[in-house]
Amino acid sequence: DAGITQSPRHKVTETGTPVTLRCHQTENHRYMYWYRQDPGHGLRLIHYSYGVKDTDKGEVSDGYSVSRSKTEDFLLTLESATSSQTSVYFCAISPPEGSEQYFGPGTRLTVT
Amino acid sequence: RKEVEQDPGPFNVPEGATVAFNCTYSNSASQSFFWYRQDCRKEPKLLMSVYSSGNEDGRFTAQLNRASQYISLLIRDSKLSDSATYLCAVNGGYNTNAGKSTFGDGTTLTVKP
Repeated sequence: DAGITQSPRHKVTETGTPVTLRCHQTENHRYMYWYRQDPGHGLRLIHYSYGVKDTDKGEVSDGYSVSRSKTEDFLLTLESATSSQTSVYFCAISPPEGSEQYFGPGTRLTVT
Repeated sequence: RKEVEQDPGPFNVPEGATVAFNCTYSNSASQSFFWYRQDCRKEPKLLMSVYSSGNEDGRFTAQLNRASQYISLLIRDSKLSDSATYLCAVNGGYNTNAGKSTFGDGTTLTVKP
């Protein structure tokens, strides 16, 4: 299995609070992604990174920001969590020589 | 219209059956294609890449039809352990967005004894 971890694995937070999710990889891959997965919507790309300090928006980026200061870490921040951001969040990495993706175990976030 | 579409199912089949899933995509410039498997409450895992010439891995066969813009996954001799959701993924090409995939919503398969 690809060396990719996510923390925390579960989180319950209140509306309006900031939340940061962490993705950590030990594969030294250039590309990293954040997705959310909701019933009826499948996997939707939030943000992705193609290198340190190089990030771009995905299809559902509103309300989210990201940072990548090191190759191994990709952080997803919800500046002010809303109930619509209750979801399962997956991080993924992609090797430079291919375009398949390897996923972390996911973070279940509940915003009350 | 979604960029990548799959029949959500569910597909309920008996053990030993052959089952096929299709996935259509709208971007004719798409370069790479994949099938992932996702078990309940787990992360998606790469099942196989899909090559233009088609490819096989044991009981699983993946095919690409560029003219009609779809990929398929065939599972022969279904096992109980094949029960899962199968996601297709399509990549747009090799540029700064290399590796960025668009996923279908998944097809759920249940194999019954």
